[in-house]
Amino acid sequence: DIQMTQSPSSLSASVGDRVTITCRASQSISKYLNWYQQKLGKVPKLLIYEASTLQSGVPSRFSGSGSGTDFTLTISSLQPEDFATYYCQQSYIIPYTFGQGTKLDIK
Amino acid sequence: EVRLVESGGDLVQPGGSLRLSCAVSGFTFSSYWMSWVRQAPGKGLEWVANIKQDGSEKYYVDSVKGRFTVSRDNAKNSLYLQMNSLRAEDTALYYCATGGGIGGHFTHWGQGTLVTVSS
Repeated sequence: DIQMTQSPSSLSASVGDRVTITCRASQSISKYLNWYQQKLGKVPKLLIYEASTLQSGVPSRFSGSGSGTDFTLTISSLQPEDFATYYCQQSYIIPYTFGQGTKLDIK
Repeated sequence: EVRLVESGGDLVQPGGSLRLSCAVSGFTFSSYWMSWVRQAPGKGLEWVANIKQDGSEKYYVDSVKGRFTVSRDNAKNSLYLQMNSLRAEDTALYYCATGGGIGGHFTHWGQGTLVTVSS
């Protein structure tokens, strides 16, 4: 199985900060990396698919990059509604696997 | 509006069975791969199973192979997960989600249905 490792596991930041979350795959997954946001007690929400394509309706302050084994999710200017847990997920090979999550909270 | 509504979650004893359902509306169900994803209390997300548009291909995470069966009824716009030989480690909130074909992603999610396996 492909292991997905996110870093950091938790992160404290302030409104307006630029934040980057990293996801590393244990083998190449080409561009098949997706990012989800989950707020406490809520349903996961797709943010970015195929590494860099912004899902419809997602604010442009979110961006994704990478290919192969190394990927990043960047939030250019944190807003209060962005404090949540973020998960990466590979859809290259079954079983699909998620990262362990990065919890982003307010500093 | 895309809508996915799961049902069937319950408290069940180890070794028991449950059948989860996911009723969908707002899109052409028969055109999409569908998936089940679960989340144990306080834990991360885990993909469980998926099924092709016509039901001809089904895949499972190793931990549920031989115990869980995913199916769909395109005429009823419904997705199912038959869960047998349940274990404590199957305790989780089970989400149905659109997508999950190779290279795909989980675009829309239901609210989830809670399965608790405990004596």
